[in-house]
Amino acid sequence: ETGVTQSPTHLIKTRGQQVTLRCSSQSGHNTVSWYQQALGQGPQFIFQYYREEENGRGNFPPRFSGLQFPNYSSELNVNALELDDSALYLCASRQDRGAAEQYFGPGTRLTVT
Amino acid sequence: GESVGLHLPTLSVQEGDNSIINCAYSNSASDYFIWYKQESGKGPQFIIDIRSNMDKRQGQRVTVLLNKTVKHLSLQIAATQPGDSAVYFCAETEALRGEGGKLIFGQGTELSVKP
Repeated sequence: ETGVTQSPTHLIKTRGQQVTLRCSSQSGHNTVSWYQQALGQGPQFIFQYYREEENGRGNFPPRFSGLQFPNYSSELNVNALELDDSALYLCASRQDRGAAEQYFGPGTRLTVT
Repeated sequence: GESVGLHLPTLSVQEGDNSIINCAYSNSASDYFIWYKQESGKGPQFIIDIRSNMDKRQGQRVTVLLNKTVKHLSLQIAATQPGDSAVYFCAETEALRGEGGKLIFGQGTELSVKP
């Protein structure tokens, strides 16, 4: 186990709705990244947060947004859900922005109907 | 490079044999590479990493080889066991540029170990 936890485990939403996913980083880690993993594919980088600020973003639209809190836990928010948003959402934490090793949580499986 | 398509390459090996999983990466500026193992319903699990100033690194039953000339990475698993059955991903990043959080994952290979 990596010490990175995510909630909820599974979630079903309807197209057009909004969703919030949560991540608790490994103790002592101040940097968190979020990834989207569609079925049968590798994870795709969404964005990274370092000390409560977005610090790098992948090719995802603005309806994907995030927050990082003073305790370094994090949220991923997705507005106006689309069917293609159905995926496993993973967060990964690192000890610091300059650290190389990062550790993944178990993910949240989002299904959009 | 980045993952494309829905059909993962598959590798089927007999228990006890050695496995070799290959990966082509996309960015010549990448300086840090990682192999992850992902079991069904779980997040990626770190296996082994290597920096671009090395061409080989060994762990317990695993070896990673890096060929920067052809941008190729391989993972060798010795004496493969049924518990090794999973999807294996390579990932690359420019860690020295502070991009360590932005991993670019390869397509993934599904390893199936026959008892």
